[in-house]
Amino acid sequence: QKEVEQNSGPLSVPEGAIASLNCTYSDRGSQSFFWYRQYSGKSPELIMFIYSNGDKEDGRFTAQLNKASQYVSLLIRDSQPSDSATYLCAVNQGGTSYGKLTFGQGTILTVHP
Amino acid sequence: DVKVTQSSRYLVKRTGEKVFLECVQDMDHENMFWYRQDPGLGLRLIYFSYDVKMKEKGDIPEGYSVSREKKERFSLILESASTNQTSMYLCAILRDGINYGYTFGSGTRLTVV
Repeated sequence: QKEVEQNSGPLSVPEGAIASLNCTYSDRGSQSFFWYRQYSGKSPELIMFIYSNGDKEDGRFTAQLNKASQYVSLLIRDSQPSDSATYLCAVNQGGTSYGKLTFGQGTILTVHP
Repeated sequence: DVKVTQSSRYLVKRTGEKVFLECVQDMDHENMFWYRQDPGLGLRLIYFSYDVKMKEKGDIPEGYSVSREKKERFSLILESASTNQTSMYLCAILRDGINYGYTFGSGTRLTVV
C-alpha cells in the first residue's frame, strides 16, 4: 500500500463547479498535511497547509482533515480554467523527520469553460 | 522570499557518465531536499540534508550521492548515470519550519542516453 494515495483522476469539472480532490495516508502518526499545485512544466507551489482536524478555508480553497479516517481533501469552489493543474497531496510525519514530506502521485484537474 | 536556483534546466548525459546537479539557496535555511518526479509516481525523496555535511537517505537513494559543503549549496551526484535515472529532479528547501512548507527550485530535466 502506498503511503500517500490520491484519487487517480484525471478529474474534469465545468467552470464554476466545485472540484473535490482526495488523499489518504497510511501513517497514523502523521502530523502535517499539505496541498501543492503544479502547473505543466512548472515546480509545485504550496496552496494549503493543515494540521488540525476539521476545515481550513483560504479564499476559494478549503482543506479538510480527518485523522481518525486518515484522509485529507481539498475543495475548490467556483472552479476556474486557471485552476487546471496537477494537485499534489503531501504528508509530514513530524517528530525528528527534519521536515521531509511524502507525496502522493498527484491528481490532474481540468476545468473546462 | 527565498530563491532556490538549480543550475541547469535541461541536461542530456551519456550512460556511465558522472553527473552533478546543483542547488543553491540565497538564504540560510538548514533543510534541503532532492526529489525526482516521474509520471504516475509523484515526487520521491532521494536524499536530504539538515545541516552542512549532514545528510540522510530518502526513499530511493540507490545510484545517487549528495554533498553539502556549504549551507547554501546542496549537490546531487549520479555516480554512473543510467537510462532509468532519466527524470525531472527537483530541489526544495524548508522555510522557517514545517508550517511554511517547501520552496522548490525550477527543476532539472535530465535525459540519460
